[in-house]
Amino acid sequence: DAGITQSPRHKVTETGTPVTLRCHQTENHRYMYWYRQDPGHGLRLIHYSYGVKDTDKGEVSDGYSVSRSKTEDFLLTLESATSSQTSVYFCAISGGLAGGRDNEQFFGPGTRLTVL
Amino acid sequence: LAKTTQPISMDSYEGQEVNITCSHNNIATNDYITWYQQFPSQGPRFIIQGYKTKVTNEVASLFIPADRKSSTLSLPRVSLSDTAVYYCLVGDENNAGNMLTFGGGTRLMVKP
Repeated sequence: DAGITQSPRHKVTETGTPVTLRCHQTENHRYMYWYRQDPGHGLRLIHYSYGVKDTDKGEVSDGYSVSRSKTEDFLLTLESATSSQTSVYFCAISGGLAGGRDNEQFFGPGTRLTVL
Repeated sequence: LAKTTQPISMDSYEGQEVNITCSHNNIATNDYITWYQQFPSQGPRFIIQGYKTKVTNEVASLFIPADRKSSTLSLPRVSLSDTAVYYCLVGDENNAGNMLTFGGGTRLMVKP
């Protein structure tokens, strides 16, 4: 499996508090992504990064910000968490430097976030 | 990004062949078709990818007609462990960010 970890794996927080989720990779892949998964919606892209300090919005970016100061880390921040952001969050990576299928995405184990 | 349409769910029995069809009517010339599999409480994982005609690997086959407006994932002789959600995606590997759009997927239930 690709070396990709997420932390924390589970988190319960209260409405209005800031939350930061971390994605860490050891594969030196160029692209990193944050998705959320909710029942009946499949996976929806929140933000993605195509390099250090290069990020862009996805389908459901409102209420989220991201940062990528190093190749290996991609942070997702909820500035003021709301109950509608209760979800499972997946990080993914793609675009290895050593060839292969560049657009194959490798997913992390997920973070289950509950906002009360 | 091309959107995809798949059946919401399918049922099958162990040992049967399962075919899941995906529609992608506005697929672009540079788009590839990719299928992912997701088990409960795990992230999706890559199954197979193709551009046209037929692709086969150790897990599945992918059939793509000449007009590329649909594709069919074929799972030979499914087992209980193939119960999962299957996602069809289309995307351009040269697209900025290699963004792939996941739809709702097809929930496959394999029964004994």
